[in-house]
Amino acid sequence: GAVVSQHPSRVICKSGTSVKIECRSLDFQATTMFWYRQFPKQSLMLMATSNEGSKATYEQGVEKDKFLINHASLTLSTLTVTSAHPEDSSFYICSARGRTGITETQYFGPGTRLLVL
Amino acid sequence: GIQVEQSPPDLILQEGANSTLRCNFSDSVNNLQWFHQNPWGQLINLFYIPSGTKQNGRLSATTVATERYSLLYISSSQTTDSGVYFCAVGETSGSRLTFGEGTQLTVNP
Repeated sequence: GAVVSQHPSRVICKSGTSVKIECRSLDFQATTMFWYRQFPKQSLMLMATSNEGSKATYEQGVEKDKFLINHASLTLSTLTVTSAHPEDSSFYICSARGRTGITETQYFGPGTRLLVL
Repeated sequence: GIQVEQSPPDLILQEGANSTLRCNFSDSVNNLQWFHQNPWGQLINLFYIPSGTKQNGRLSATTVATERYSLLYISSSQTTDSGVYFCAVGETSGSRLTFGEGTQLTVNP
């Protein structure tokens, strides 16, 4: 099946610093990538949809200036958490839309655990 | 937006038992996926099943689109089946997904 990687898998940072998370589709081209956030014991919440070569579309309530998304190529999207604060601590998961036959499914990365001290 | 409800929220089984997980959704969908999130957080694709029935080993799923629900069947459960099972739906085939709250499954030896 399709493989999506994320880096780093875990990051601890001080409050006020910025953190960049990479999402790569390893064996297919992804015109669209999605970024989700998951708090402990909760479901996944979509943050933004990232299309290659265009600006990301953010969900209501997600600050676009705080969560910068860049989708510079068909295999790479990045999420930068700017001026991170402890409330930004969460599990961030990306997915990439790929085509399997005639259907399109989302394949998920392994996630990045962010802890802001 | 589309509402997704999963039941039960928690399920504890003995190894070897069978189970059925349910996903109800509030509107017509053209994308429905079942995922298993393992204890390390990785989401594993189980089924892409906007309608019909599919089987993969001990797992099978059925979606009745006209009645807006999907069922995931796990037979002869194993301890490695433990984790959270999510149902996620989308209005179109490759669109954004809305996740349910998940079913936390624990399979005891």
